[in-house]
Amino acid sequence: SQTIHQWPATLVQPVGSPLSLECTVEGTSNPNLYWYRQAAGRGLQLLFYSVGIGQISSEVPQNLSASRPQDRQFILSSKKLLLSDSGFYLCAWDPLGTEAFFGQGTRLTVV
Amino acid sequence: TQLLEQSPQFLSIQEGENLTVYCNSSSVFSSLQWYRQEPGEGPVLLVTVVTGGEVKKLKRLTFQFGDARKDSSLHITAAQPGDTGLYLCAGATGNQFYFGTGTSLTVIP
Repeated sequence: SQTIHQWPATLVQPVGSPLSLECTVEGTSNPNLYWYRQAAGRGLQLLFYSVGIGQISSEVPQNLSASRPQDRQFILSSKKLLLSDSGFYLCAWDPLGTEAFFGQGTRLTVV
Repeated sequence: TQLLEQSPQFLSIQEGENLTVYCNSSSVFSSLQWYRQEPGEGPVLLVTVVTGGEVKKLKRLTFQFGDARKDSSLHITAAQPGDTGLYLCAGATGNQFYFGTGTSLTVIP
């Protein structure tokens, strides 16, 4: 069966520090992968999506970047975090092109 | 950026009442999904609708996709406290999914 793993679950980082969030998918090959950010109790903002290794599309210019070094691995990074980067980050994958399945999310607090 | 507006944004009802949540857009989507999310967790897929005018039922939940594939509704019959959560619609186009603004539902016992 296919599963998606995202870690860490929570993270507290100082302003100006780097960030690396990792997402991996098991049980499938060449999935479409996504990073979203969610403000408290609100909808999801699409940050990045990838249709294959090394292929990254950015939806919103920001302080973040994404990479896909392996087929089933998607990484969200920042060189220097800002207070405004705080939020709930979600990784998702799409097996059929019609629906997305999500990881458990990472609560990032920048202090 | 595709924009999906959900209404209402917040809804607080008594157990046993019925409710409808709306998801509207000016864009056409190849499919539309509804998700339910608990605090601190990722959204969980409830249903996917693909055909304009399609109606799907999942126990007490009824989902409808608009004829023009631009809008959708979620109707819950006899709401229960376990229905409490954030409901999100999402439209799929190309390789991307665009999410609605969310409806926070609280069902009071």
